[in-house]
Amino acid sequence: GAGVSQSPSNKVTEKGKDVELRCDPISGHTALYWYRQRLGQGLEFLIYFQGNSAPDKSGLPSDRFSAERTGESVSTLTIQRTQQEDSAVYLCASSRDGNTDTQYFGPGTRLTVL
Amino acid sequence: AQSVTQPDIHITVSEGASLELRCNYSYGATPYLFWYVQSPGQGLQLLLKYFSGDTLVQGIKGFEAEFKRSQSSFNLRKPSVHWSDAAEYFCAVALTSGTYKYIFGTGTRLKVLA
Repeated sequence: GAGVSQSPSNKVTEKGKDVELRCDPISGHTALYWYRQRLGQGLEFLIYFQGNSAPDKSGLPSDRFSAERTGESVSTLTIQRTQQEDSAVYLCASSRDGNTDTQYFGPGTRLTVL
Repeated sequence: AQSVTQPDIHITVSEGASLELRCNYSYGATPYLFWYVQSPGQGLQLLLKYFSGDTLVQGIKGFEAEFKRSQSSFNLRKPSVHWSDAAEYFCAVALTSGTYKYIFGTGTRLKVLA
């Protein structure tokens, strides 16, 4: 595709519900990243996928957060039993090979937990 | 621990004035450094990056940055700011040992006065 796409663009959910956020990376990009950006703050690394290697999950804040990636394509970030502190913009980025190559960011999903 | 510090949360400059945004990093290995810009309602866009070689790197939109190893800094500069440069600017370091995840600073929000 022309760029990284994310869906939905906005998601409002009630505390305790599960949510799934989707990322479609640029075709051919082997590396995919998820970040969280709370209001007025910087980007917080969540998880990194590189090809068929085991993902780097060191940034996931709790076991309520998980992510999957199908081959070198779509990724889904799942947040179970959402809490109000999960409210943030979730950004996805992809890069050609992950070896410090330029990351291209999607527009993000704004998650609001009521 | 690896970290990126952007000491200025907000900066205001007049249109046509020069600009310098500060970035300091803490990383034991060779740093790969980036500056990204996030304009209102838009995704993050890469301005420039430093991997090796000439410590003064040129980027898009007339920006440049200078890597100073002795000061662990990678400050962003522009000689003459335009109103369209109003945005949030993020400095990032890419880890190069064991993983290729990125650590982002908390950002500097630039306001440009007409």
